[in-house]
Amino acid sequence: NAGVTQTPKFQVLKTGQSMTLQCAQDMNHNSMYWYRQDPGMGLRLIYYSASEGTTDKGEVPNGYNVSRLNKREFSLRLESAAPSQTSVYFCASSEQGRTNGELFFGEGSRLTVL
Amino acid sequence: AQSVAQPEDQVNVAEGNPLTVKCTYSVSGNPYLFWYVQYPNRGLQFLLKYITGDNLVKGSYGFEAEFNKSQTSFHLKKPSALVSDSALYFCAVLNYQLIWGAGTKLIIKP
Repeated sequence: NAGVTQTPKFQVLKTGQSMTLQCAQDMNHNSMYWYRQDPGMGLRLIYYSASEGTTDKGEVPNGYNVSRLNKREFSLRLESAAPSQTSVYFCASSEQGRTNGELFFGEGSRLTVL
Repeated sequence: AQSVAQPEDQVNVAEGNPLTVKCTYSVSGNPYLFWYVQYPNRGLQFLLKYITGDNLVKGSYGFEAEFNKSQTSFHLKKPSALVSDSALYFCAVLNYQLIWGAGTKLIIKP
């Protein structure tokens, strides 16, 4: 019962470095999401993928890119990391599209940008 | 603007006492409402949802939530708190996209 798996769990970057956060789900869900969580701000949607081959911007997409590699995998890339991107990142998936609020989350990736 | 408010950053309850975590929303139409729980260093877990029907919704781990349309509230409740209920709780509203509250830290003291 893996559910949603994210890697890496922790990462420290220097300003300007790039990295990719990986996410995979084994529940055959169509929709996948990337959120960031910052203290006192709840969750903010970065990007969303309704199905394989489609992606949409969320509330805070600037500085990020995504790839929906196949139905299982949805990666998040930081091309040139900035200290403002220090956060905890969560990948999530759901059976249907954005009309379904019942999401399954990974355990998070804690990113620090120095 | 559409929004979700969790007016308490932290709620402290003694073990065995009833607990309430508050949530109010400002969304047009008839929204779907959700509660999620986050244990330390873990991802969020779905607790319960209100779509339509009975205003009292029952969910996981003995939690329930009461929808009040006139007060635009969806408060999370449990009759008898456990120390293991200590966690961060998020209210969310679905109106095309999920709108999240900032979270309430629930601390249950033995």
